[in-house]
Amino acid sequence: DAGVTQSPTHLIKTRGQHVTLRCSPISGHKSVSWYQQVLGQGPQFIFQYYEKEERGRGNFPDRFSARQFPNYSSELNVNALLLGDSALYLCASSLTGFEQYFGPGTRLTVT
Amino acid sequence: AQSVTQLDSQVPVFEEAPVELRCNYSSSVSVYLFWYVQYPNQGLQLLLKYLSGSTLVKGINGFEAEFNKSQTSFHLRKPSVHISDTAEYFCAVSDLGGNTPLVFGKGTRLSVIA
Repeated sequence: DAGVTQSPTHLIKTRGQHVTLRCSPISGHKSVSWYQQVLGQGPQFIFQYYEKEERGRGNFPDRFSARQFPNYSSELNVNALLLGDSALYLCASSLTGFEQYFGPGTRLTVT
Repeated sequence: AQSVTQLDSQVPVFEEAPVELRCNYSSSVSVYLFWYVQYPNQGLQLLLKYLSGSTLVKGINGFEAEFNKSQTSFHLRKPSVHISDTAEYFCAVSDLGGNTPLVFGKGTRLSVIA
């Protein structure tokens, strides 16, 4: 089976722009979570969705939003990009809620 | 709130030597514990997990970890490392109850020297 997939792989945006990142979970997994990993740090939790409902939100500003679709894929949207939003954005899916399997990430660079 | 402390930011070790990467977590309540590995320019791969049962957990690539509730620790060990083990290692914790987010440590960079 395919693992978690994310697109695009890399992205360069300018300050003030908007970005949409996409994630497809492992087949059968209904939970998707998003994490931000700044260079040199561990991943930080942004959102979790289960069965299309938001189940958790980390300490991120309202510029960050997400949604989950009926096929359990997910989008992360970030508005009004700041230089500090430059990071690796990781998506993880889970069947049980206990074990999370991560995708390769999207590297976002804001200039 | 949960927090995870990885006591060493960098650990250099010679090939075929043993290694221990240390991890402590804050909560005294029951938790799930995980170790993930991240190779350069890649996502995170699950090495091993502690959910319940035996405190000694075996994972992939010859790694193992021991859960110590009294010391709130979950140290990762490997008896003999290879060059290919060079990577960033992250300890993570989540509360019981399912569908709870992972809280990660800042990571330990393991560098294996030939």
